[in-house]
Amino acid sequence: DAKTTQPPSMDCAEGRAANLPCNHSTISGNEYVYWYRQIHSQGPQYIIHGLKNNETNEMASLIITEDRKSSTLILPHATLRDTAVYYCIVRVGGGGTSYGKLTFGQGTILTVHP
Amino acid sequence: KAGVTQTPRYLIKTRGQQVTLSCSPISGHRSVSWYQQTPGQGLQFLFEYFSETQRNKGNFPGRFSGRQFSNSRSEMNVSTLELGDSALYLCASSLRGTEGDQPQHFGDGTRLSIL
Repeated sequence: DAKTTQPPSMDCAEGRAANLPCNHSTISGNEYVYWYRQIHSQGPQYIIHGLKNNETNEMASLIITEDRKSSTLILPHATLRDTAVYYCIVRVGGGGTSYGKLTFGQGTILTVHP
Repeated sequence: KAGVTQTPRYLIKTRGQQVTLSCSPISGHRSVSWYQQTPGQGLQFLFEYFSETQRNKGNFPGRFSGRQFSNSRSEMNVSTLELGDSALYLCASSLRGTEGDQPQHFGDGTRLSIL
């Protein structure tokens, strides 16, 4: 699976949009971009994933660049409860030999301030 | 819809003992993966089970083993416990499909402490 690079930490004001970047310059054509977050003492929570197109759900939006070498997770109106470690992961989709395995990096610690 | 359930939530053992952790996946999910999370190593993949067969394995010693039952519930076992096995053990379940991709959904883990 391709390696990802994320900033170690970011701050955001409550109510503002949080934009978390992720670099995955070695991504392959069949690799998906996934975002998870982990709040202290809980298991990672799935946020969103995508292959090529931008995606949006009730939690966030995922913007993938045209060359797919980077992406941005957008939390449109951050709240204090969004303070967490955010992980960007890329992995081969649908039945590849590494199915079932997610490779987590160090992630980005997002702190939302009042 | 119920999420992934892991039991027990907390466990204290001593060196040399063995332990069994349990995971009930989301209804309909047949793939179950296990992870170990420690402050030093982060989240590391242990193994994945699908249709009662281990399909994928991480780089852990043979003391770590698992199994999956016909109802997709899974257990992992750690024998001859060492102090370094103290960690949060996480289970994740997913649909396994050949089209698109399916996310894994995690439980809140079992925190294992070795004395």
